[in-house]
Amino acid sequence: AQKVTQAQTEISVVEKEDVTLDCVYETRDTTYYLFWYKQPPSGELVFLIRRNSFDEQNEISGRYSWNFQKSTSSFNFTITASQVVDSAVYFCALSSNNAGNMLTFGGGTRLMVKP
Amino acid sequence: GAVVSQHPSWVICKSGTSVKIECRSLDFQATTMFWYRQFPKQSLMLMATSNEGSKATYEQGVEKDKFLINHASLTLSTLTVTSAHPEDSSFYICSATHGRVSADTQYFGPGTRLTVL
Repeated sequence: AQKVTQAQTEISVVEKEDVTLDCVYETRDTTYYLFWYKQPPSGELVFLIRRNSFDEQNEISGRYSWNFQKSTSSFNFTITASQVVDSAVYFCALSSNNAGNMLTFGGGTRLMVKP
Repeated sequence: GAVVSQHPSWVICKSGTSVKIECRSLDFQATTMFWYRQFPKQSLMLMATSNEGSKATYEQGVEKDKFLINHASLTLSTLTVTSAHPEDSSFYICSATHGRVSADTQYFGPGTRLTVL
């Protein structure tokens, strides 16, 4: 069985603060993929990143960065210098070979960035 | 690339009527499409997986006779909520992938908000 846990249900920060969204996963597969999606108030899920289990390099894309650590089964997401437009619900998700292309979602973290 | 559309974006209907929601992949061929349901302030709940040309696979607890899914082409899947009732009111989201393996990224549509009166 697979599981994704996002322990933070809501986070509130002031604009320009850095914020880290935690994601912890469980899977018995050795080959798996981790994803982050953003769901703004409009409702559409926006794909942010995909990471495979064999690539532990951290990734940076503009103000976004991701820290993948297999030793702790975590795939955390950091937003640097947060902006009001970052306010959304962020979902971490997992897929693995034994589950085909089905995604297991975490419960989501609602991020509120105040001006 | 990888754009998925849904139509309608919102719909209000009377109890007992049927509602059809369309999901289209606009710039790629979607071998697999997924249908999710999302209640307010909750995560996405997978309802069914739909592969082009074959019957959909429903998740446990999802009534296949109530939620009819058709995936007749590589760019279109439809979800029909039959005899809708107020408890079916929800946000329905579809997603699509190029292939059928775990490496494939799911691209999501903008969602359809269904309200049943």
